[in-house]
Amino acid sequence: QAGLTQPPSESKDLGQTATLTCTGNSNNVGDEGAAWLQQHQGHPPKMLSYRNNNRPSGISERFSASRSGNTASLTITGLQPEDEADYYCSAWDSSLSARVFGGGTKLTVL
Amino acid sequence: QLQLQESGPGLVKPSETLSLTCTVSGGSVSSISGTRYSWGWIRQPPGRGLEWIGTFFYSGTTYYNPSLKSRVTMSIDTSNNQFSLKLSSVTAADTAVYYCARHPDLDYWGQGTLVTVSS
Repeated sequence: QAGLTQPPSESKDLGQTATLTCTGNSNNVGDEGAAWLQQHQGHPPKMLSYRNNNRPSGISERFSASRSGNTASLTITGLQPEDEADYYCSAWDSSLSARVFGGGTKLTVL
Repeated sequence: QLQLQESGPGLVKPSETLSLTCTVSGGSVSSISGTRYSWGWIRQPPGRGLEWIGTFFYSGTTYYNPSLKSRVTMSIDTSNNQFSLKLSSVTAADTAVYYCARHPDLDYWGQGTLVTVSS
């Protein structure tokens, strides 16, 4: 099953801005967009954004999502220690009739 | 506030069937405020990423991960506000934390339950 492509790791300094990417194709990310999930060690994932920049209530405005073609991005501004986590993207693939996930990006806040 | 809770055995023997139930509280699996939702299962092997297992759409159609399709059955029990997962012929590769979640936006998740496949 084809998945979405995410860089395995990213490191940024406290207070900086991180932009995480997720690349798919026209049948998934390029079609309905991607959801972004944050997962801290030992906890279930938490949805930060669904189908591109639809941020649920309670999620900080420091998190914003966007899409350009077949690539989705999650931008986190003013990085805080609690932002250190694994970030996953996910989308429905209309060709496969399946949900696909990225492999996740481990964000380290220095 | 919608809450999901997985339940089921934490240890399953190889070749047997893994069975889990997700109980939904604070809302109905049928519809919430007139909106119909879909429900599904996702798993995460220790130290690894998320893997989709399947989604039960409100339309009544169920889709499964092609790599698991021959072994997976999902069902929904509206009378008890639950939905279930059965995975047959399990091996050690099926050891994972199993999550139930509301689809398609993955906005509500259970806490997850670790299922270990071992004799």
